[in-house]
Amino acid sequence: EVQLVESGGGLVQPGGSLRLSCAASGSTLGNSWMHWVRQGPGKGLMWVSRINSYGSSTNYADSVKGRFTISRDNAKNTVYLQMDSLRVEDTAVYYCTRRVDAAMRFWGQGTLVTVSS
Amino acid sequence: QPVLTQPPSASASLGASVTLSCTLSSGYSNYKVDWYQQRPGKGPRFVMRVDSDGIVGSRGDGIPDRFSVLGSGLSRYLTINNIQEEDESDYHCAADHGTGNTFFVVFGGGTKLTVL
Repeated sequence: EVQLVESGGGLVQPGGSLRLSCAASGSTLGNSWMHWVRQGPGKGLMWVSRINSYGSSTNYADSVKGRFTISRDNAKNTVYLQMDSLRVEDTAVYYCTRRVDAAMRFWGQGTLVTVSS
Repeated sequence: QPVLTQPPSASASLGASVTLSCTLSSGYSNYKVDWYQQRPGKGPRFVMRVDSDGIVGSRGDGIPDRFSVLGSGLSRYLTINNIQEEDESDYHCAADHGTGNTFFVVFGGGTKLTVL
């Protein structure tokens, strides 16, 4: 069974940086698109970014473009989200999810990012 | 880009049935929609994908056959029969949108299902 475990969340001041990690166990991520989705407090889900299996193609939501960078290390079975120039409105639980058969079928438990002074 | 509209709340009695709706904005009637269940304090869980002809592909791992989907025009529906206490969750719908090098996923606002 595939398990995804996010880490790296925490409290950061506006303008600061964090790097989230998503480690997989039980299966290799090497052949899957990977996505990050976030959920602000009391809010719905918002798609953040995706990366292809080779790490050569990425897409971002307009609200994070130029500030966030998604990457992956298939040898470590891990996907990353580098978040720079963080804003208060980036406060959310961040989930990584693995796309299989064109759907986000596997999700982690999430990691909380709080941006506050 | 498409907009997905969901009613904010729904309720149903234990053992009854409920149908949740997700409506695509005009011009996107050919779009597939994914349904996700999110229990309190947990991450989302894939339920099923649906287009205007019905289910696309297989249901998510561990999703019972009490869950079914239907599509018609701009609407995509998730029906839960014989509702159980563990079905009390937020239900989100989502659709991919991509042209050329542009891609993103749009989510509806979610429907909170209360089991009475």
